Amino acid sequence: EDQVTQSPEALRLQEGESSSLNCSYTVSGLRGLFWYRQDPGKGPEFLFTLYSAGEEKEKERLKATLTKKESFLHITAPKPEDSATYLCAVRATGNQFYFGTGTSLTVIP
Amino acid sequence: EAGVAQSPRYKIIEKRQSVAFWCNPISGHATLYWYQQILGQGPKLLIQFQNNGVVDDSQLPKDRFSAERLKGVDSTLKIQPAKLEDSAVYLCASSSDPNTGELFFGEGSRLTVL
Repeated sequence: EDQVTQSPEALRLQEGESSSLNCSYTVSGLRGLFWYRQDPGKGPEFLFTLYSAGEEKEKERLKATLTKKESFLHITAPKPEDSATYLCAVRATGNQFYFGTGTSLTVIP
Repeated sequence: EAGVAQSPRYKIIEKRQSVAFWCNPISGHATLYWYQQILGQGPKLLIQFQNNGVVDDSQLPKDRFSAERLKGVDSTLKIQPAKLEDSAVYLCASSSDPNTGELFFGEGSRLTVL
């Protein structure tokens, strides 16, 4: 059964304290792994697409990496405005997008 | 460019009542999705349209949920009769190319069933 698991569920960081969020997946025929950011009361906002193991994408303080079994979202020197829920999604051969449950990130000034 | 529009933003109903949500996707986006997001969980796909045809509705509870996308533009999601467990945020998203993984989401419609 296709599955996406994110950890940790919640993460509190001091401003400037770098860390990583994890997304592990078991899908048949991965056709892409995607990271989204969701602010309270808003819909998810697209961040990155990764297609193959070894691929990396960067945007400001965020860097996403992909292996054959998991993806990491690295946050370097986070700021309070980076506080949000970060969602991982995968697209399998059936064309469905499966979302994980997300990691709630709080960055304390 | 206008984003994905959804209405209403909030709805409170009694169980066994009916409710409808409306979505207007980004102009030109052929693919439209309805997701259900229960508090503390990730979005769960209910139905995916390509133009006005259904691509995937395998997780749509068809005994109570229905959706349509007339003329391949706007879409309506209906729940009848509602159950307590339907309390959630209903998110509409659209995409010009699902291969990119870039879905544009609306702000959602929050449903509370009492």
